[in-house]
This record gives sequence, C-alpha cells and structure tokens, in this order.
Amino acid sequence: DVKVTQSSRYLVKRTGEKVFLECVQDMDHENMFWYRQDPGLGLRLIYFSYDVKMKEKGDIPEGYSVSREKKERFSLILESASTNQTSMYLCASGTLSYNEQFFGPGTRLTVL
Amino acid sequence: KQEVTQIPAALSVPEGENLVLNCSFTDSAIYNLQWFRQDPGKGLTSLLLIQSSQREQTSGRLNASLDKSSGRSTLYIAASQPGDSATYLCAPCGATNKLIFGTGTLLAVQP
Repeated sequence: DVKVTQSSRYLVKRTGEKVFLECVQDMDHENMFWYRQDPGLGLRLIYFSYDVKMKEKGDIPEGYSVSREKKERFSLILESASTNQTSMYLCASGTLSYNEQFFGPGTRLTVL
Repeated sequence: KQEVTQIPAALSVPEGENLVLNCSFTDSAIYNLQWFRQDPGKGLTSLLLIQSSQREQTSGRLNASLDKSSGRSTLYIAASQPGDSATYLCAPCGATNKLIFGTGTLLAVQP
C-alpha cells in the first residue's frame, strides 16, 4: 500500500513564525503536491513538483514556498505565518503516468 | 477553466440502500477522473481512478462510471453501510496534470 506521511497532525504557531510542514512518501512517486482545504472553498493546490529540485506554482502559492531535495520528501514552508494561513494542509503523491494521487493524513495548522 | 459540481451536496439514506452520487465537469478534455472519500478531520482516501478511455471501474460495492463527452461521472454505492458515511469528492485531471476538486457530497448512512 502507498503510504504518505506528514510530520504533524496538529500544529499551533504564532504570527510571523517560519513554519515547516514535511511530507514523505514511500512509493517512489515522481509527483508530489501540497493542498490546503478550507470550509466552503474545497481543496486548492498550493505547489507541486514533478521531480527532485523541481517546483511549480499551483493556484494559491502566495505566502508559501517549497523544497524537494530528495524524491521521497516534499516540504511546504510558510515564510512568515499569518492568521489567514490557518487551515488543513494535505500532501499527496502520484505516478507520472496516471497521476493517481494518494494523500497523507493532513496537518491542521492554527496560526495565532 | 475546469469547474466541478457535485450533486447532491448532502444525502442521508437508511442502511442497505443503493445510492448514486453525481459529478459534472465543464471541460471534457480530461486524462482521468478520481473518486475519493474523506472522513472528518482526515486526509483523502482514493477509491477509484477511471482513465479517459474507460467507461467504468469497479471496486467491491463501488462502481464509478465516466461519460467524458457529456462531462459526467457517477459513483454507485451498493448496499450502503454506516461505515460508508463520509464526504465523497470527485476530481478530474486535465492536461496540466492537476486535479480539480468538486465541493463534495456529504453522505450519512443511518443504521
């Protein structure tokens, strides 16, 4: 079974802090994705990556950056956390050929 | 721009009933479509992936169909159980390789 893990289930940070969310997959997938999910807005794509050291902006990249130094790991970075970044963050990985995506358990981030 | 609509937004059925969840999308140029379930506060679980060349896909009590030309997909759940209670999301994938998610159908199966 595909396994996607995220570093924290719940996280509470202060405004202005730098926040790192880590995602690791164990299926050697080329593609990795970061989404945020908010009530009434659904899932929105923040960033994605097709390969190591590659990154592409999604629909809402502002205020975020990413890092993919190894194929299995994709990190989402909030450079200076703000209250409007309070959300559920979901990481996914997928194959290059079919792009079937598999999701991690999510990180509920609260920024105070 | 791809837009995805799921109807109904919420559904409550008694245990044992067969049910159909609907998904429509505006851009028929898709590579595949994926159905997910999401339990409260959890991540998404992949249920079925239908390639654009396929008409349907089955997994256990679940059957998903795809009519690309009309921009529709349905998820059929047979003999529903309380454990099927969750939010169901459909997500077509287009040329950009991105999934576009619908807002989901919240299903409650009453024992």
